[in-house]
Amino acid sequence: NAGVMQNPRHLVRRRGQEARLRCSPMKGHSHVYWYRQLPEEGLKFMVYLQKENIIDESGMPKERFSAEFPKEGPSILRIQQVVRGDSAAYFCASSRKDRRGNTIYFGEGSWLTVV
Amino acid sequence: QQPVQSPQAVILREGEDAVINCSSSKALYSVHWYRQKHGEAPVFLMILLKGGEQKGHEKISASFNEIKQQSSLYLTASQLSYSGTYFCGTESQGAQKLVFGQGTRLTINP
Repeated sequence: NAGVMQNPRHLVRRRGQEARLRCSPMKGHSHVYWYRQLPEEGLKFMVYLQKENIIDESGMPKERFSAEFPKEGPSILRIQQVVRGDSAAYFCASSRKDRRGNTIYFGEGSWLTVV
Repeated sequence: QQPVQSPQAVILREGEDAVINCSSSKALYSVHWYRQKHGEAPVFLMILLKGGEQKGHEKISASFNEIKQQSSLYLTASQLSYSGTYFCGTESQGAQKLVFGQGTRLTINP
């Protein structure tokens, strides 16, 4: 029973390039969350999605960041024109369905380094 | 709004006990606890639901005071493997997202 799968695990981008991070939820999970973690800091909520729908994007920066979870395929977090401050670990998590109190499970994370 | 955890850091000897607290200014539906080791993903430990249901880990327990909007995580007879950063995540009544505290770093020495 595969867990939450994220790729790539490590990504290096030059300033101004685009970064695409992918997340496949656990089998049977239809809800996906993205969190950002700066070194030695906590998990900052970014966005909460279900298939073809953004439920809450209150943690997403207004510019350059976007997320989607299409009907088919993984969820994608896209960062355009990356800057050094975007360097962080990006964690995806998934849960079963839209019912309060569901356990959410984290993927191994994608570490983005902007040079 | 982000829940507040205390203490920020704890250093123990193996076998000692620890309590980590988490409080919120919002009415909560659930509290989730995770442990994260350096360079790894957060690992689920425990979830406490409004109404008293609790699901969790064998050797770690927690409480949820729905009136005070507080939760405490209890680690008894700590083992070296308990070292890591503990995060509480809260799900408030009006929102469907899980928001995490700033973390409590626990160090267990032999």
